[in-house]
Formats: sequence, structure tokens, C-alpha cells
Amino acid sequence: AQSVTQPDIHITVSEGASLELRCNYSYGATPYLFWYVQSPGQGLQLLLKYFSGDTLVQGIKGFEAEFKRSQSSFNLRKPSVHWSDAAEYFCAVVVSGSARQLTFGSGTQLTVLP
Amino acid sequence: NAGVTQTPKFQVLKTGQSMTLQCAQDMNHEYMSWYRQDPGMGLRLIHYSVGAGITDQGEVPNGYNVSRSTTEDFPLRLLSAAPSQTSVYFCASSWTGTDGYTFGSGTRLTVV
Repeated sequence: AQSVTQPDIHITVSEGASLELRCNYSYGATPYLFWYVQSPGQGLQLLLKYFSGDTLVQGIKGFEAEFKRSQSSFNLRKPSVHWSDAAEYFCAVVVSGSARQLTFGSGTQLTVLP
Repeated sequence: NAGVTQTPKFQVLKTGQSMTLQCAQDMNHEYMSWYRQDPGMGLRLIHYSVGAGITDQGEVPNGYNVSRSTTEDFPLRLLSAAPSQTSVYFCASSWTGTDGYTFGSGTRLTVV
């Protein structure tokens, strides 16, 4: 079945530490890939996106993500986490076609320790 | 530039009542969507539109109705509210559907 999986429900890191959030997808062809962030009580903000080209994409707020076709993965990374990065992070895909709607993973809640 | 505007921000309904959640965007986006967000389940697509006059069902459409008479507006109607519809609702819009969606700030709905 087509799906987006975020295997980590909750991740805790210390401020200044590096971060990697995992995302795997299961689709016949490579979909458009996105990472969104949701701060408490807020809507979702687009961090970065990928469809083709360089497999390492840069986004806003110092985030980057790497696409690995062989692993059907699109993991989000940040070299040094700030306390303001505490939020929920969603991986999402759009499949080419007429609908072009987002399908989301279940999210990863990030806690940042001082 | 307001982006995507959702109203109201909070709403409490009694079981069986109906209401409309409003969504408006000022970016001339063709694609618009409604999602509900429930703990541990991410965001699930309720209904979507790929242009004025064109709507279709998403993953969880039961109990909801939509219309798209203009490019700017995409209201979501709850026909007869049920406690299972207690959720946070998000509206989103996009120019091409593959360039990324812009989200509204959400409506927190409680059905008692």
C-alpha cells in the first residue's frame, strides 16, 4: 500500500546537538517529497521540498534533507539544534497526477533540552 | 498578503448542529484542500479542489461537504456534527500542487 512512514514518534535532543528525522515512503514512482514544521498551536510551514536533481536539498531555518532512492528515504537533518526548533515535523508526499494532494506521515515530535 | 485565512479559530458545537468553516486565499492558487489533524494520525485529507467548480473526496470525507464557486474561497460544511468530528481543521492552497502548499492557522472544533 502507498504510505509515508515516520518511525520516530518522539525525539529528544540537547541544544547544539545534531538532528536527524527519518522518513520513508512506499510508492511505485518517486513522488514529490516535502518536510513541514508545526509549532504549537500553529499551522504548518514548508521547510523544503524535492523532486529531482541534487539529492541533498537545503531548506529554511538551517535544515537540509537527503533523498536516497535505494532506501526510499528522505531524512531531515540539522547540524546544530536550537531551542526554537522544538516542534512537530511532518514528512509528506505528492504523487504526480490530477489530484496532486499531500499525503502526510504521522509526524515526529521534537523536544530540545537546554 | 494574507495568505490562507481560516475562520473561526475556535468553535464549540452541539451534536447534530451544522456549521461552515471558512477558508480564503489571496494567492490565486488553483489547488485547495481541507485536512483534519488528530493526535498520532498526522493530517488526513477530507476534500480537495483543483480549480473553481471542481471538488473531490479525500481519505475521510464522510460527514463533510464542500463547494468551490470562486478561486479564492473553499468552505467546509459539517452537515450534522458528531463528537468524532472533534479535531483541528486546516485549509491549504497551492499554485501547482507540486510546489508546496501554504496552510492556514487552523480551526479547533469541539463537538459536545
